[in-house]
This record gives sequence, C-alpha cells and structure tokens, in this order.
Amino acid sequence: DQQVKQNSPSLSVQEGRISILNCDYTNSMFDYFLWYKKYPAEGPTFLISISSIKDKNEDGRFTVFLNKSAKHLSLHIVPSQPGDSAVYFCAAETNNNNDMRFGAGTRLTVKP
Amino acid sequence: NAGVTQTPKFQVLKTGQSMTLQCAQDMNHEYMSWYRQDPGMGLRLIHYSVGAGITDQGEVPNGYNVSRSTTEDFPLRLLSAAPSQTSVYFCASSPGPRGETQYFGPGTRLLVL
Repeated sequence: DQQVKQNSPSLSVQEGRISILNCDYTNSMFDYFLWYKKYPAEGPTFLISISSIKDKNEDGRFTVFLNKSAKHLSLHIVPSQPGDSAVYFCAAETNNNNDMRFGAGTRLTVKP
Repeated sequence: NAGVTQTPKFQVLKTGQSMTLQCAQDMNHEYMSWYRQDPGMGLRLIHYSVGAGITDQGEVPNGYNVSRSTTEDFPLRLLSAAPSQTSVYFCASSPGPRGETQYFGPGTRLLVL
C-alpha cells in the first residue's frame, strides 16, 4: 500500500526552463511533506519541506506547492540547471517522523 | 566531521548467510533509522531508534534485527539472508523527529544469491 506516489519515473527538461515534479498521497493524517534529492552513489539529502497549514513554500529556485483537497504536491525548479539532474523523492510524515513514507522517486535530467 | 558512515559499500551473500551492516554518526544525533530502497518502491523504514537502548520496528522489519548500545552506532543484522533482501540500505540520523533534519549515509548495496 503505497501512501505516497510519484507517477512519473523520469522527466527531462532543457536548461533554463521550469521543472515540475508531482507527488500524490492517500493518507489524510500526513501533516508535513518533504522533498529529497539523491545523486548516484550518495544518500538522499533534504531539499525543501512544507507544513500542511501552508500551500506554498519557496527557497531560492525551489518552490513546493501543496493542494490538500487534492492530496497533491508539486516541486517547481526555476530555472533548471544541469546540476539539478538527480532523483527526487517526495516524502510525507505525521507528527511522528517514524511514520515517514517515501514515493518511488522521479529522475530529473536537465539538458544543457 | 564525517556525518553518517556506512560499511560495507557493497556485499554479496548467499542465501542463509548472516551479516551486519554497520552505521555510525558523529553528530551526536539521538534518532537513527534504517531504510531499504527497492526499484519502484522508494525508501521504506526497517527499524529506528530514538536513543541509546531504545529501538522499534518500522514498516518492513521482518528478517532484520537492530540494537543501539551507543549514540554513535546503529548496526543492522541479517540473521539468515534471503534473496528478497537484495536491496540498497540507507542509514540515517537526525537530532529530532522531523525528516527535514535527517542526514543519510551513502548506502550499502546488498546482493543475496
């Protein structure tokens, strides 16, 4: 039972354009959502998060949008850079992080 | 400051063999966790610890044991390896319960034949 789903296994965009990565969840108890970035042969690293009381959080080129009614969140990267090429994991947690669930990941490729 | 270290990086086991995946952190974090990553599944929590001497099961604990005798170390034991345990294993630590403070190790790739 995958409670967090990333339905696009891969995404390719041109450098300078916007990258939009999507994530859906089913558990209404999730109250905190995170995006992790993973390079090959490395562990995931935290990128950006959003609380369920907000609908948008921005950090530089990265913005996460949350639509609670649709149980959907998205990560926007503007402008995309070749160094952004990585696998991006969406994650969701309740007020106890030991319930954190991850999506399967989306591989982003940014072409020069 | 090494962060979270994991050994070995890669291991091949035969079905039924036992082994221990090592994880250590030098950040004095109370929380430590083990995840496995399988194709199409994302990361799934195996076991976690909220402090020395305290461990608990995560989403997929069967076939694995853990202990936490020190703050720094959190080994994961496979008592009798099975092909279904072929995966990439990540250890993580954090100072608190929220995932945004979680630091991951580089992973151990395990192949069980």
